[in-house]
Amino acid sequence: QVQLVESGGGLVKPGGSLRLSCAASGFTFSDYYMSWIRQAPGKGLEWVSYISSSGNTIHYGDSVKGRFTISRDNAKNSLYVQMNSLRADDTAVYYCARGSEKYSNSYLAYWGPGTLVTVSS
Amino acid sequence: QLVLTQSPSASASLGASVKLTCTLSSGHSTYAIAWHQQKPEKGPRYLMKLNSDGSHIKGDGIPDRFSGSSSGAERYLTISSVQSEDEADYYCQTWGTGIVVFGGGTKVTVL
Repeated sequence: QVQLVESGGGLVKPGGSLRLSCAASGFTFSDYYMSWIRQAPGKGLEWVSYISSSGNTIHYGDSVKGRFTISRDNAKNSLYVQMNSLRADDTAVYYCARGSEKYSNSYLAYWGPGTLVTVSS
Repeated sequence: QLVLTQSPSASASLGASVKLTCTLSSGHSTYAIAWHQQKPEKGPRYLMKLNSDGSHIKGDGIPDRFSGSSSGAERYLTISSVQSEDEADYYCQTWGTGIVVFGGGTKVTVL
């Protein structure tokens, strides 16, 4: 069955960097758009970024543009997000999620359990 | 601007029904949405995709007591015969070219 498992979260100082990974299994990874979504403590879900199945199309939410970079390695069935210039308000649980339909941006059909990123001095 | 609006909270007695609303912003009334459930300390779980005509596609293993309907710019999630395990946050989500949008979420309390 579809499995998504995030890793790489932790405590980082303001201004620092962190790279999150998402290991995918149970489906043909290269067929699907993938997304990162985050949830600050006690808050709702916020879309961060998505990447097309080939990696050629990428979009970001306004709050992370210019600081975060999404990427994927279809040979390794893995999704990444490089997070630079981190701020306290980036503190959140970060989820990776898979789109529902092949080769297109669509609703999110599968979610990982998330990884916690804490930005604090 | 594509925006989804949800009421912050709803409640229902055990065994009763509850209907949650997600409203699409002006000019976007034909958009489909998805409903997701999030229990405390867990990742979200996809419930269903809901089209503007009320047709919907449920995720694997979603109980029959969860159903969806639509009217104009409003998308509804109805939970019939509410169970204690349905106490959770419910989010609607939509998408477009270059964007994914979530509603603010509705916290459902089972009385």
